[in-house]
Amino acid sequence: SQQGEEDPQALSIQEGENATMNCSYKTSINNLQWYRQNSGRGLVHLILIRSNEREKHSGRLRVTLDTSKKSSSLLITASRAADTASYFCATPGGTSYGKLTFGQGTILTVHP
Amino acid sequence: GAGVSQSPSNKVTEKGKDVELRCDPISGHTALYWYRQSLGQGLEFLIYFQGNSAPDKSGLPSDRFSAERTGGSVSTLTIQRTQQEDSAVYLCASSLGGTGYSGNTIYFGEGSWLTVV
Repeated sequence: SQQGEEDPQALSIQEGENATMNCSYKTSINNLQWYRQNSGRGLVHLILIRSNEREKHSGRLRVTLDTSKKSSSLLITASRAADTASYFCATPGGTSYGKLTFGQGTILTVHP
Repeated sequence: GAGVSQSPSNKVTEKGKDVELRCDPISGHTALYWYRQSLGQGLEFLIYFQGNSAPDKSGLPSDRFSAERTGGSVSTLTIQRTQQEDSAVYLCASSLGGTGYSGNTIYFGEGSWLTVV
């Protein structure tokens, strides 16, 4: 079963608005990563947040992590049409430290 | 190379044929991963290599799927007797050491789109 689950499944906004995507996970983790995917091809790493961090920023991205609720959020501020993509959270998978387990993703559409 | 390279980019094959998908990871990356993504779905983990060994192959869906890695570099994913449900994008990724709890970033290739007709 998936470790991370994003919501909403799809989000449609206008340029300039903020976009918030949420991720929930089941087991204890020591880090959580967010990735972006354009057009169903390769994923690109956006940001990593460790379990001892509550919030992290990178440019227009803001990620929060609440380990007590086993949830994370990704906020994209002042969105642009170029932000249109699918966004995935990823967590260490099960008992193996070697892999990441990805959620189903949120499809973000930013209208010009 | 500069990034993770996968070939072929697209492959159409007849049901029952065998296919081989190749992945060339970033130079120096000891960890290599194969994921599968069906249309509109999330990523499904298939197998993880550390060097030439595969400590986690729990995601391979059946014994028709196999993967190997030689010289700690190039990996080949082989699907025997392909079925229509094997149609998907097969994504390869690599990282400097394992990711997971270590938190190393993984870098993805552009994928191989497999269509079984």
